[in-house]
Amino acid sequence: NAGVTQTPKFRILKIGQSMTLQCAQDMNHNYMYWYRQDPGMGLKLIYYSVGAGITDKGEVPNGYNVSRSTTEDFPLRLELAAPSQTSVYFCASSTNRGDRHKNIQYFGAGTRLSVL
Amino acid sequence: RKEVEQDPGPFNVPEGATVAFNCTYSNSASQSFFWYRQDCRKEPKLLMSVYSSGNEDGRFTAQLNRASQYISLLIRDSKLSDSATYLCVVKGGSSGSARQLTFGSGTQLTVLP
Repeated sequence: NAGVTQTPKFRILKIGQSMTLQCAQDMNHNYMYWYRQDPGMGLKLIYYSVGAGITDKGEVPNGYNVSRSTTEDFPLRLELAAPSQTSVYFCASSTNRGDRHKNIQYFGAGTRLSVL
Repeated sequence: RKEVEQDPGPFNVPEGATVAFNCTYSNSASQSFFWYRQDCRKEPKLLMSVYSSGNEDGRFTAQLNRASQYISLLIRDSKLSDSATYLCVVKGGSSGSARQLTFGSGTQLTVLP
């Protein structure tokens, strides 16, 4: 099983460029999330989605946009890259079914982004 | 005050040692609690959920004290493969949706041969 797949694994952007980080999951999970992790810090939630067509802001949404047109895909868009967006980005998904499972988030391998 | 606070370490312990990590959370309305493990340059993975009565999974024991808003993780008989960063995670701990997880900054553990 692929689980949560993120592409690309690495990317270097120039200031002002834009890009889309891709995230796909094959577990039929309703909930999907985007986090960023700066060195020595915990994960901070950027955006999340509770199902196709529904997205909401997390703790640090500024400078990012998301869409959720299908259950499987949850891309993250950076419109005008800034050095402050240099980070590792993780996508995650979780189910909303079953008390035992609904709190577990499954993470992709991450995208390491540098903005220079 | 951080919503989820952990001692960053690093903790350097010899193989076979017992090591304990602590975590405090600020939101008394938090509902669920977890420990995740993150290996160097890898994604976080769930280690175990933390239940009010305390729970054990092999060499790992988790405890929750709701009155003190305190969570702990005990690792017995440490193995080299336990070297990682351990993230304390609280659900419903942020001011936003109760579905969200709030992550601590992590405690780094290195088990030495």
